[in-house]
This record gives sequence, C-alpha cells and structure tokens, in this order.
Amino acid sequence: AQSVTQLDSQVPVFEEAPVELRCNYSSSVSVYLFWYVQYPNQGLQLLLKYLSGSTLVKGINGFEAEFNKSQTSFHLRKPSVHISDTAEYFCAVSSFMFSGGYNKLIFGAGTRLAVHP
Amino acid sequence: DGGITQSPKYLFRKEGQNVTLSCEQNLNHDAMYWYRQDPGQGLRLIYYSQIVNDFQKGDIAEGYSVSREKKESFPLTVTSAQKNPTAFYLCASSGSHGELFFGEGSRLTVL
Repeated sequence: AQSVTQLDSQVPVFEEAPVELRCNYSSSVSVYLFWYVQYPNQGLQLLLKYLSGSTLVKGINGFEAEFNKSQTSFHLRKPSVHISDTAEYFCAVSSFMFSGGYNKLIFGAGTRLAVHP
Repeated sequence: DGGITQSPKYLFRKEGQNVTLSCEQNLNHDAMYWYRQDPGQGLRLIYYSQIVNDFQKGDIAEGYSVSREKKESFPLTVTSAQKNPTAFYLCASSGSHGELFFGEGSRLTVL
C-alpha cells in the first residue's frame, strides 16, 4: 500500500525568505508524485508533477521539487516566498494505471504555509 | 474556458435528508472522482468512475451514492446514512498525464 507523510503541519516563514515543505512517501512500486496548492475555500491547483526523467521538477509560481528515490522524498522548495503564497500545500502519490486513464492519488495531510511580512 | 464546475458552493442539510452535489466537466476526461476533505486529514476518496455507466467505491463510500449517466456529469448524493456529512467535497477529473483537475468545492453543513 502507498502512503504519504508531510512532515510539517505548519510552516511559518517571513516574506522573501526561502522555504522547504517536506514530503516522504512509501510504495512498493514505481510512483508518480504531485504537489498541489489550496487557497481558502477553493479547490486544489496543480503546482508541479514528477512522472519520469529529470528529478528536479519546476512548477508554477516559482516552486520546484526534487524527487529522491533512495530517500523516498519529494520536497517542495521556493527560494523567496511572497505573502500570496500563504495557502495549504498537499503532496500526493499515485501508481498511475494508463488503462482507462484511472489515477488514484493518495494525499498527505497537508502543510499550511504562513508567510509573514 | 475548460474546467470543472461544482454546485452549490455552500449547502445546508437537516439531519435525515439526502442532498445531491453537482459536478460537471467540459475537459472531455473519462475518469472522474469525488473526495471528501476534513481539517487535518487531507483528502479521502469517496467514489470514482473510469467510464460512463461504471463507478467504483473509494476508501469512504459508506453513506454516499453516485451515478455516471453522461461523460460530463458525476453527481454525488450524501444520504441520511452518512453519520458525519459536514465536510468540504471536491470533484476532480484526470488528464492523460495522470494529474487531477479539481473543481472549486462544495461545503456541506448539517444543521
């Protein structure tokens, strides 16, 4: 069975500082990894995804993540955060089955990023 | 614009009532999903559907029902059998590269 652990439930940070949101996963098969962002009372928006290839993945809003297979991690980073980055961030893992386009994602519990002026 | 539309945004239900949440997509995706979100618990899968007229239970299907009569539509009914229905409900569909596209969500409150 697959599982996802987001190591920090809350991360406070000052504006323009760097930030890292940590995500570890467990799986017995090859996985695909995703980071989503959720603003209050809204749906989830895809930030970035790792399917294959380069282990450093760049996403929207200046975020990037690095897939580390040996450490089973997929940490999200941003070199300089803005107030507008305040939101909840979810890491997700799936064993994507191409037949029928079905993709069951397992989500972490989320990390609340609070950016302070 | 292409996307997923959920309605209503907010819904109140009295105990013992069934309510139906609407989900419509114009992305031409085959697979659709319903998730429930509670504070501190992330997202949990209720039901999913890979094709029209077929759907499967997810991890927390008890007290919920769905239908998939059209490719574009995947409504969720929260029945009176659901013991704790107050939550934020998210509908999604999946693209060809595995990513999920989400609607804006529906917040259900039991009075």
